Parts: sequence; structure tokens; C-alpha cells
Amino acid sequence: SQQGEEDPQALSIQEGENATMNCSYKTSINNLQWYRQNSGRGLVHLILIRSNEREKHSGRLRVTLDTSKKSSSLLITASRAADTASYFCATGGSYIPTFGRGTSLIVHP
Amino acid sequence: GAGVSQSPSNKVTEKGKDVELRCDPISGHTALYWYRQSLGQGLEFLIYFQGNSAPDKSGLPSDRFSAERTGGSVSTLTIQRTQQEDSAVYLCASSPPEREGYEQYFGPGTRLTVT
Repeated sequence: SQQGEEDPQALSIQEGENATMNCSYKTSINNLQWYRQNSGRGLVHLILIRSNEREKHSGRLRVTLDTSKKSSSLLITASRAADTASYFCATGGSYIPTFGRGTSLIVHP
Repeated sequence: GAGVSQSPSNKVTEKGKDVELRCDPISGHTALYWYRQSLGQGLEFLIYFQGNSAPDKSGLPSDRFSAERTGGSVSTLTIQRTQQEDSAVYLCASSPPEREGYEQYFGPGTRLTVT
């Protein structure tokens, strides 16, 4: 079974808008990671947040983590057409990260 | 430097045939993972190799699936007597020793189609 579940399953926005994706998980973790997958390609690691952190930034990405609610969010600000991809969260409690089904983001130019 | 490579990129096979999928991890990465991704689904963990330790095979869906990693580097995933439900993209990932469980580097995947 998958540990992380992303929401929404699909998101369609206009270039310049912000995109927010959420991830919920079930068991305790020591870190949570976000990945991007462009169509037909492998996954690319975007950002990691540890269980003792609440917020992290990397460029136009902002990740939050609420361990009491077992949830995380990924915010992409000022989106670009090139941000069109699927985004996955992966929960790390051991050496084997567990992935959700992903959010498919489409950014219209 | 070179990333994780996988071959072939696409494989079409007939039901009942055996297939071998190859993964070349990044040099120096001690951890290697195989995942399966079906259309519109997340990544399903298959198997994990770490150095010279016994692999974690807990994700292999049946005894038709097996994998080996030779010399701590290249890995081969073998599917025997393929079935149509085996059709998926098979992804390989590796991690350096200090990033196991924190960051994975993925290959482009092998798209397997069983007809």
C-alpha cells in the first residue's frame, strides 16, 4: 500500500499563478521528499523536509510539513509552462521511500 | 557526471516470454532500488539492494520476478513467463551512502509492454 497520497490528482492553472499540492501520510516519518516527473522521464528530486522542520524553501518552491496532521504541501509560485509535470511525495521512515500516486500539474502558457 | 541509465528504453514481448531489464546506477552509489509504475499510478516498490547486504525483496509481486546486482553496481531485473499485467514502466534509482532514504536518483525507465 502507498504511504503518501497526493491531492488533488490533477491541477490545471495559467502561467504566473501559484500551484499548491498536498500530501497526506499515515505513519510516522523521519523525512518527506517531493519529486517531479516529466512525461516519459524518470523522477527528479526537488526538495526534502525533515520531520523536525515545518517549512523549507528552494527557489520558487515552498514546502510545509505538519506532523500532527500527517500532511505536507508543496507550493510552486509564479508557475511556468515548464512546470507542467507530475509531482510525487515520498515518505521516508526507513531506507525505502514510499511514493504516492502523484498530482498531475498542467500550466497553460 | 553520468546519471542512472536503464536499458532497453522500450521492450515489447509476448505473453509467456522472459525479459531482462538492466540498470546502471551512478558510480559510488551503494543503494539501488527497483520500482514499477503502472499507467496513472504511483511507484510500487519492488526490491532494494544496499552494498553487500541481502536485498530487501519484500515488494516483488510474485516468484516470477527476481533481481540481482553484480559487483555492487549493475542490476538486472528478470521477469519470467510475462503476463499482460506486468506491462508498466520499470524505474531504477540509486542513492549515495549518505543519502539513503533521503534522496534518490532515477533512471529514465524501461517501458515494458506484454502483448
